[in-house]
Amino acid sequence: DQQVKQNSPSLSVQEGRISILNCDYTNSMFDYFLWYKKYPAEGPTFLISISSIKDKNEDGRFTVFLNKSAKHLSLHIVPSQPGDSAVYFCAASGNNNDMRFGAGTRLTVKP
Amino acid sequence: ETGVTQTPRHLVMGMTNKKSLKCEQHLGHNAMYWYKQSAKKPLELMFVYNFKEQTENNSVPSRFSPECPNSSHLFLHLHTLQPEDSALYLCASSLVAGGPPDTQYFGPGTRLTVL
Repeated sequence: DQQVKQNSPSLSVQEGRISILNCDYTNSMFDYFLWYKKYPAEGPTFLISISSIKDKNEDGRFTVFLNKSAKHLSLHIVPSQPGDSAVYFCAASGNNNDMRFGAGTRLTVKP
Repeated sequence: ETGVTQTPRHLVMGMTNKKSLKCEQHLGHNAMYWYKQSAKKPLELMFVYNFKEQTENNSVPSRFSPECPNSSHLFLHLHTLQPEDSALYLCASSLVAGGPPDTQYFGPGTRLTVL
């Protein structure tokens, strides 16, 4: 039972353009959402998070949007840089901090 | 330096071997986690420890045995594994488990291959 889904296994974007990574969830009890970035041979690195009381959180080039009614969140990276090329994982948790992850989207930013 | 270290980084073992994975966190956190990541699958939560007490065992087979001697160290003891157990095993820590959600910080993982 996959409660967090990233339906696009890969995404390719030109340098300088916007990257939009999408994530859907099914459990309405989730109230905290995170994005992690993973380079090969490294563990996931925390990127940005959002609480369910907000619909947007911004940190530099990274913005996460949350649409609770649609159970959908997205990560926008603008402008995209070649160093952003990595696998991005969406994660969600509720009060018990039992975090569920999506399968990841591999982003490639072309110079 | 992520603050969470794991050793070894790579491990090859036979099905009859016994080995242990080690995780150490230097972040002053009280909760530690073991995850399994198989190819093209989401991270799967295996175990949760909160203040050294195991609070979750996510239906993990008994051939995986966790140990948490203190809040900074976490072990995963492996015995009689199967080839399908080959995966990346990730350790994570957070401030507290079971409370308001907070961010988990991951180690680099141990790439395990079972022959």
